[in-house]
Amino acid sequence: NAGVTQTPKFQVLKTGQSMTLQCAQDMNHNSMYWYRQDPGMGLRLIYYSASEGTTDKGEVPNGYNVSRLNKREFSLRLESAAPSQTSVYFCAIRGQGHQPQHFGDGTRLSIL
Amino acid sequence: GESVGLHLPTLSVQEGDNSIINCAYSNSASDYFIWYKQESGKGPQFIIDIRSNMDKRQGQRVTVLLNKTVKHLSLQIAATQPGDSAVYFCAEIYGQNFVFGPGTRLSVLP
Repeated sequence: NAGVTQTPKFQVLKTGQSMTLQCAQDMNHNSMYWYRQDPGMGLRLIYYSASEGTTDKGEVPNGYNVSRLNKREFSLRLESAAPSQTSVYFCAIRGQGHQPQHFGDGTRLSIL
Repeated sequence: GESVGLHLPTLSVQEGDNSIINCAYSNSASDYFIWYKQESGKGPQFIIDIRSNMDKRQGQRVTVLLNKTVKHLSLQIAATQPGDSAVYFCAEIYGQNFVFGPGTRLSVLP
């Protein structure tokens, strides 16, 4: 998905480890989002950032922190990973008005 | 293995036939709707959108229908091809809130 780059693509962690998921965009959009996707469920919003310097909690923020480093980059941090955080994580961006979100290809995270 | 799309309803369609995928939304205040396609191992990809002041919108081989009376959205794919095999899900938007459905897996039979 051109425009949104997520790293890493895959990661395995042990319970209690920490890590940061990176997201970068080249479309100059203000809004950036972090979602998790679990089997049989719709995407659930973890955190979002309406503009550089602002972040807000979504539906499932517990256990996560975010940082909007600049307009291009929005990172998601797991301070102490838990097995319940095993999921596929997607970053998305969005322009102004009635615009769709554009997604990266995800980070597949397994926590043992 | 692929973790996305397990336990989803599945629609199986013969190649060349038309496909209809349905979605019920929850909020009568939603004013914008989107259909996404998600292939295995990839992120959701925008297909088509529609605003609440419309009841039909057509794209290339795809049509979205919106029935606000019963809060129902459908995606029609004409002449379904093997490359259309994927999980399809809808999103309803009100304000800054995006609410995503769990999706339907479309399987195209040769």
